[in-house]
Amino acid sequence: QSVLTQPPSASGTPGQRVTISCSGSSSNIGSNTVNWYQQLPGTAPKLLIHSNNQRPSGVPDRFFGSRSGTSASLAISGLQSEDEADYYCAAWDDSLDGHVFGGGTKLTVL
Amino acid sequence: QVQVVESGGGVVQPGRSLRLSCAASGFTLSRHGMHWVRQAPGKGLEWVAVMWYDGSKKKYVESVKGRFTISRDNSKSTLFLQMNSLRAEDTAVYYCARDVGLTSNGMDVWGQGTTVTVSS
Repeated sequence: QSVLTQPPSASGTPGQRVTISCSGSSSNIGSNTVNWYQQLPGTAPKLLIHSNNQRPSGVPDRFFGSRSGTSASLAISGLQSEDEADYYCAAWDDSLDGHVFGGGTKLTVL
Repeated sequence: QVQVVESGGGVVQPGRSLRLSCAASGFTLSRHGMHWVRQAPGKGLEWVAVMWYDGSKKKYVESVKGRFTISRDNSKSTLFLQMNSLRAEDTAVYYCARDVGLTSNGMDVWGQGTTVTVSS
């Protein structure tokens, strides 16, 4: 059972907008910044969003991160087939004194 | 080119030890927090350990406390993970990752991973 809760799966058709949620608590999302990672099949994770809503260089602006209270969301607009991957949210947890990941959401592009 | 490359994985018996290495290039190791993250077969990501940029703090996931030690050799630009008393549940791909900042703010550079299998 992960400290951060994500839906196990999500799906959409090309061009659609999809949102993936991440629910936490006051000790993690509620008091620390959220990061999002994309993991394509058979590859290492890649940082998509850091500090709640900041995109590293090279990440398309189709990816948008937000945080409200103890929850966060990753929105992907203009869905493309190459977006099919696992997505993980993460944050520092003050109570556990460590970093925590969500369980991951498998995104399928129909 | 900024990159990290892990090595040292392998098959090891329960109770034995293994040391993973992470060679950093294209950036200064001592200017970033550095992490180890693992992924068991077919499972999600699990953060394992972090070392602050200046080495002043080291943090671990509860399940490895007292067994794993994160360390660094700045002169060789290499991060290590010493793993003792290995258990079957430590079987995973271990990734080394650079933090975007000085402590623990997000991991922006990842290696390809090294596989650790704990089995008799």
